[in-house]
Amino acid sequence: DAMVIQNPRYQVTQFGKPVTLSCSQTLNHNVMYWYQQKSSQAPKLLFHYYDKDFNNEADTPDNFQSRRPNTSFCFLDIRSPGLGDAAMYLCATSRDFGTSSQTQYFGPGTRLLVL
Amino acid sequence: AQKITQTQPGMFVQEKEAVTLDCTYDTSDQSYGLFWYKQPSSGEMIFLIYQGSYDEQNATEGRYSLNFQKARKSANLVISASQLGDSAMYFCAMSLSGGYQKVTFGTGTKLQVIP
Repeated sequence: DAMVIQNPRYQVTQFGKPVTLSCSQTLNHNVMYWYQQKSSQAPKLLFHYYDKDFNNEADTPDNFQSRRPNTSFCFLDIRSPGLGDAAMYLCATSRDFGTSSQTQYFGPGTRLLVL
Repeated sequence: AQKITQTQPGMFVQEKEAVTLDCTYDTSDQSYGLFWYKQPSSGEMIFLIYQGSYDEQNATEGRYSLNFQKARKSANLVISASQLGDSAMYFCAMSLSGGYQKVTFGTGTKLQVIP
């Protein structure tokens, strides 16, 4: 089955220690997104890639970076995690932009805990 | 800018009964798409149903239907014959046409199905 995969499902890191979350997709979608979601809140978009074109949301902290080495994979790097970065991180894909084409398919998420 | 409003933070429904989750939206665009996602406690966001602004018929997917009332700018999700597995957070979302437009999510409704 075509899907979006995220690894690891749970990640524990120390305050200030860099961490990388990964996402892969077998849907062959053009667009990949990273969201941050805190408890009982809506997901908050951090950035997205259309193919290799990167788009950062204006309010995404510099502490968050992303890489998309190929169509299938996308990584989220948190350079110096703070306690406030503890959250669920969701990766999503969509075939394209627009209305129905922007139906997003999500991975299972990575829960990040910062000690 | 577009906005999604979900006024029901939490709802209860008896197993096997139908339930309606409310969603209203605000946009001046004529072409847009509306989505519903389900998020169980495990964290994964699951796409349920899509409605385009020009679709004349209400969207249906199995036990899910979208009650689309364009003049009232509402896109309520109806779940028929509720099951215990329907207990989850439900998010309404919207995207606009015309290149990249960030998907806007509502604040969500937490549904609990009672045996």
